[in-house]
Amino acid sequence: GQNIDQPTEMTATEGAIVQINCTYQTSGFNGLFWYQQHAGEAPTFLSYNVLDGLEEKGRFSSFLSRSKGYSYLLLKELQMKDSASYLCAVMNDYKLSFGAGTTVTVRA
Amino acid sequence: DTGVSQNPRHKITKRGQNVTFRCDPISEHNRLYWYRQTLGQGPEFLTYFQNEAQLEKSRLLSDRFSAERPKGSFSTLEIQRTEQGDSAMYLCASSFENQPQHFGDGTRLSIL
Repeated sequence: GQNIDQPTEMTATEGAIVQINCTYQTSGFNGLFWYQQHAGEAPTFLSYNVLDGLEEKGRFSSFLSRSKGYSYLLLKELQMKDSASYLCAVMNDYKLSFGAGTTVTVRA
Repeated sequence: DTGVSQNPRHKITKRGQNVTFRCDPISEHNRLYWYRQTLGQGPEFLTYFQNEAQLEKSRLLSDRFSAERPKGSFSTLEIQRTEQGDSAMYLCASSFENQPQHFGDGTRLSIL
């Protein structure tokens, strides 16, 4: 089975940094993916990790530790438009198994 | 890059009716996936195509659900004899091999 946990909600101030943690227990692992989803819209791919370590893409970075079953997404220099749900997903073969998502609210 | 296209965006129907959704993937992508998402949850895997071959169906997909990808390009998802519990957002995604999956805007199904 798949078990993917992430916090339900987080609030941060514009310009600040927020770290969204994700822990997983899955029967297989081919990579960990982060998606952003605004209400009523499609999930948009942000970042992914296959090997341990940090992947940086502009204001977004993602970290993976396979031995700990742990990942985080780091959002820097928060902007109001970053208010959205952030989904952690584990790929097993070709299938993505998603967590329930973390709703991030950015306040002025 | 036109992205993954899904239609209709919204579908309202009475319980017991049949509905069909369409997905047009990114043209160079050989893999196509269907997911279902309900409020407050992440997407759940339904089924997967490699080119025109349907390689897996989730146990979530009852016999009332059928998906096709006849020429390895667009795909359709049909739900027969819809039930209240079928109300959800149906998302299509595509990828080239195991590269990141790109999602369409989904079809929101409401069963009256």
